[in-house]
Amino acid sequence: AQSVTQPDIHITVSEGASLELRCNYSYGATPYLFWYVQSPGQGLQLLLKYFSGDTLVQGIKGFEAEFKRSQSSFNLRKPSVHWSDAAEYFCAVVPFGNEKLTFGTGTRLTIIP
Amino acid sequence: DTAVSQTPKYLVTQMGNDKSIKCEQNLGHDTMYWYKQDSKKFLKIMFSYNNKELIINETVPNRFSPKSPDKAHLNLHINSLELGDSAVYFCASVDRDRNSPLHFGNGTRLTVT
Repeated sequence: AQSVTQPDIHITVSEGASLELRCNYSYGATPYLFWYVQSPGQGLQLLLKYFSGDTLVQGIKGFEAEFKRSQSSFNLRKPSVHWSDAAEYFCAVVPFGNEKLTFGTGTRLTIIP
Repeated sequence: DTAVSQTPKYLVTQMGNDKSIKCEQNLGHDTMYWYKQDSKKFLKIMFSYNNKELIINETVPNRFSPKSPDKAHLNLHINSLELGDSAVYFCASVDRDRNSPLHFGNGTRLTVT
């Protein structure tokens, strides 16, 4: 079945440490790929997107993501997290030729001092 | 200045009541969506309208009826509210032709008692 998977439900990272959030998809053709962030009580904000081209994508707030076709992955990274990065992170896909943005189950990021 | 605005932000009501949530976007987008986020933060698409025409209707109970009076507005009316309808409802919009990412509102937290 077509799906987008975020294997980690909850990740805890120390402030200043590096971060990687995992996202895998299972679609026949490469979909459009997105990462969104949701702060508590807020809506969703787009961090970055991948449509085609360079597989390393830069986003806002110092985030980047790398598309790896061979692994069907689109992992989100940040070299040094800040306390304000604590939030829920969602990977999302729009399958090629489809209208529907489908979300992963989300990863909750906790930052410890 | 708010791009996608939803009202109300919070809605508390009793079972069996009928309620509406309104959404407006000032981005000039042609497509609007309703998403439901449950207590486990899972985001699921409900409806999508393109230029006032329904294009996505997921398996949502008939008690939910979207209405789009024009392409800048997409309202959600819910009849005979049930406890399981308690969730956060997000409106979103996109310019479908430009493959732009979705812009989300800040959500409406519906609590059914």
